[in-house]
Amino acid sequence: NAGVTQTPKFQVLKTGQSMTLQCAQDMNHNSMYWYRQDPGMGLRLIYYSASEGTTDKGEVPNGYNVSRLNKREFSLRLESAAPSQTSVYFCASRGREVLSYEQYFGPGTRLTVT
Amino acid sequence: AQSVTQLDSQVPVFEEAPVELRCNYSSSVSVYLFWYVQYPNQGLQLLLKYLSGSTLVESINGFEAEFNKSQTSFHLRKPSVHISDTAEYFCAVSETGGSEKLVFGKGTKLTVNP
Repeated sequence: NAGVTQTPKFQVLKTGQSMTLQCAQDMNHNSMYWYRQDPGMGLRLIYYSASEGTTDKGEVPNGYNVSRLNKREFSLRLESAAPSQTSVYFCASRGREVLSYEQYFGPGTRLTVT
Repeated sequence: AQSVTQLDSQVPVFEEAPVELRCNYSSSVSVYLFWYVQYPNQGLQLLLKYLSGSTLVESINGFEAEFNKSQTSFHLRKPSVHISDTAEYFCAVSETGGSEKLVFGKGTKLTVNP
């Protein structure tokens, strides 16, 4: 099992450009999440999807959109990138097995917006 | 809503010394508690979790944490650290009863010096 995979690993954008961050999991998990990590801020939830076909806002959704393409894939789109979106982005997934409430994280995408 | 406070942003220690990383949470309902570890340039990995039962939980690499409901704490301890324990550690909380969300603390960077 690859677990949670993310592409790309690194990306540099100019202000105003758009891009989509891709995430896929092969653990048959129902729930998927997008976080951003900034120094001294911990991880903040951007959007999540409790099941295929549903998405909900997290703590910091402004400037982002998401798509739950199918059970495996959950993408994050920046329509018009801003320097404030420079961050490391992590995707995570979670199953529904009894006593298994932890989230599994991908390796991250380091995004710089100039 | 829950919140998590990690009282120390940085903890430097010498190899083979004991360490305690402090975590306090706030919640009006019952919670599950987690510690995640992030090694440099990697995603987060689950270190240990408290769901129910014994309030003392252990990881496979010698860390332990104790759930203290009256103090609303979940401090992480290790009696003797190694250089390889250098990483950032995140405490996280989730409501019981099927909540989708994890709320993270801001992290504690543990540096183990020779």
